[in-house]
Amino acid sequence: GDSVTQMEGPVTLSEEAFLTINCTYTATGYPSLFWYVQYPGEGLQLLLKATKADDKGSNKGFEATYRKETTSFHLEKGSVQVSDSAVYFCALYDAGKSTFGDGTTLTVKP
Amino acid sequence: KAGVTQTPRYLIKTRGQQVTLSCSPISGHRSVSWYQQTPGQGLQFLFEYFSETQRNKGNFPGRFSGRQFSNSRSEMNVSTLELGDSALYLCASSLGDRPHNEQFFGPGTRLTVL
Repeated sequence: GDSVTQMEGPVTLSEEAFLTINCTYTATGYPSLFWYVQYPGEGLQLLLKATKADDKGSNKGFEATYRKETTSFHLEKGSVQVSDSAVYFCALYDAGKSTFGDGTTLTVKP
Repeated sequence: KAGVTQTPRYLIKTRGQQVTLSCSPISGHRSVSWYQQTPGQGLQFLFEYFSETQRNKGNFPGRFSGRQFSNSRSEMNVSTLELGDSALYLCASSLGDRPHNEQFFGPGTRLTVL
């Protein structure tokens, strides 16, 4: 079946540092790929998405590129802020259901 | 446009009881999916309903069931509760008419089983 493997956390960075969270997937079909963010006590918010190979999703300074050849969708941000502290989930959506990675907790210190 | 709403936000039950959770999707959305989130298992897909029919199902026992009404609102029921059912239950809605529709998540219902 489908699966998503995320870089293990937690990740702690200083403000303005560069962020990369690795995500790889396996899928039988041709999925769409997503990054979601979850703040404490809240549900999931869509951060960005890509629906086909070589698409780049971007939002709020975050970017991720759909790489079919390496089955990857790594999340990057050039300069993180304290307000980016949250749990980040990589997910794929195929045939009516989403499959999530385990989540990576990011803490950004001032 | 109002987002996805879930009620109640918090529930405490005891083992053996049953529980019903409710989800109201974004207006115009016909697909509702349910997920269970636990620290140990992460986010796991329960099932998806589209136009009152279960369209997809995850690997959960038959104690977990759901339904969708004609207004797209959905309910999830868990019977004979076990301690391991304690979790955050998330509902997500989407238009559902394309394979890559974006899902919008509600805030979740936190279920505690004692």
